[in-house]
Amino acid sequence: AQSVTQLDSQVPVFEEAPVELRCNYSSSVSVYLFWYVQYPNQGLQLLLKYLSGSTLVKGINGFEAEFNKSQTSFHLRKPSVHISDTAEYFCAVDPLGGGADGLTFGKGTHLIIQP
Amino acid sequence: GAGVSQSPSNKVTEKGKDVELRCDPISGHTALYWYRQSLGQGLEFLIYFQGNSAPDKSGLPSDRFSAERTGGSVSTLTIQRTQQEDSAVYLCASSQVAGAYEQYFGPGTRLTVT
Repeated sequence: AQSVTQLDSQVPVFEEAPVELRCNYSSSVSVYLFWYVQYPNQGLQLLLKYLSGSTLVKGINGFEAEFNKSQTSFHLRKPSVHISDTAEYFCAVDPLGGGADGLTFGKGTHLIIQP
Repeated sequence: GAGVSQSPSNKVTEKGKDVELRCDPISGHTALYWYRQSLGQGLEFLIYFQGNSAPDKSGLPSDRFSAERTGGSVSTLTIQRTQQEDSAVYLCASSQVAGAYEQYFGPGTRLTVT
């Protein structure tokens, strides 16, 4: 079984400052890793995903994440945030070659951008 | 279609009533997923369909929950004899195939059981 831990339930950041949202996972098998964003009253939108290859993956809206196998982490970063980045961010894992178990999500991190 | 659609967007029902939630996936997507999002439990995976088949139904919270998919397209999630703890947002997602491919999520159905 897999589990995902998002260490911060809420992260306040000033506009144009950098941000890092932390995600750690545990799994007995190799996994695919994802970050999703949920804006208020909307569904989930994929920001980026790691399947294989380069451990630094770039996504939409200027976000990037780095896969660290030894630390079982997949932290999300953005060098300069905007008010429009205010949303809930979810880290998720999917068993490699699976899919039948669906995605396992973390509890989410609420990113609050302060002007 | 342009994206995953779900209906209704909001549903208020009385405890003990049955409800049916509908998901219309992206055309051509063979995999379909149901999740539940609630304040206490976060995002929970409920069930997965590959085509019309659901290999494992153990993620459904109780035997009051059932799901089906017909024609490899539309899926319905049915909750019988609703309870207050069923109140949540029910999200549907689809992907081209199961596994590494991106899951595209619908806007969800907000279910309130009074």
